[in-house]
Amino acid sequence: NAGVTQTPKFQVLKTGQSMTLQCAQDMNHNSMYWYRQDPGMGLRLIYYSASEGTTDKGEVPNGYNVSRLNKREFSLRLESAAPSQTSVYFCASSEQGWDTEAFFGQGTRLTVV
Amino acid sequence: KQEVTQIPAALSVPEGENLVLNCSFTDSAIYNLQWFRQDPGKGLTSLLLIQSSQREQTSGRLNASLDKSSGRSTLYIAASQPGDSATYLCAVRNSGGYQKVTFGTGTKLQVIP
Repeated sequence: NAGVTQTPKFQVLKTGQSMTLQCAQDMNHNSMYWYRQDPGMGLRLIYYSASEGTTDKGEVPNGYNVSRLNKREFSLRLESAAPSQTSVYFCASSEQGWDTEAFFGQGTRLTVV
Repeated sequence: KQEVTQIPAALSVPEGENLVLNCSFTDSAIYNLQWFRQDPGKGLTSLLLIQSSQREQTSGRLNASLDKSSGRSTLYIAASQPGDSATYLCAVRNSGGYQKVTFGTGTKLQVIP
């Protein structure tokens, strides 16, 4: 029972490079989310997808794009990485919004130099 | 704007002690509150989800209470064990949209054998 799987676990990028963070869940959940976690700050929502085919901006969407590829997969793309995007990124899913228990992936530790 | 505070930021207790972790929020118009556990370098694991209509939820040695009027939730851990060592975070879902979730910055708990 894999739950929420994120790849890669670690990544170092140079400023200006692009990359895509992958996320997949096997729980048939409708809702998926991307958060970032920075020291001294609570988790902040980047983008979310209420259901397959829909995506919406969260609290800190600038510099990111997302794709809800199908019900299982929700990817996060950094088009031109900046040092301010150095963070730990978490993907999460839930059956239906935050009415229900949320499940998180293991995280991607991204460093932009 | 909702603000969620968890005090203390860190707590160290001897094994076997009963303990209480606190979560305070400024806007009492919440939909639910969820407690999570985060182990170092790992994702978040949901422990308990309390709906606004509920006063408490229990799971094993854990009991979470919710007092909306005072803007407080507590997580009670009975007979603490070294395996309980982790960071505990609370997340408040605010009324007005399921994506409006505010996380606290967590309490790092160390249970000493």
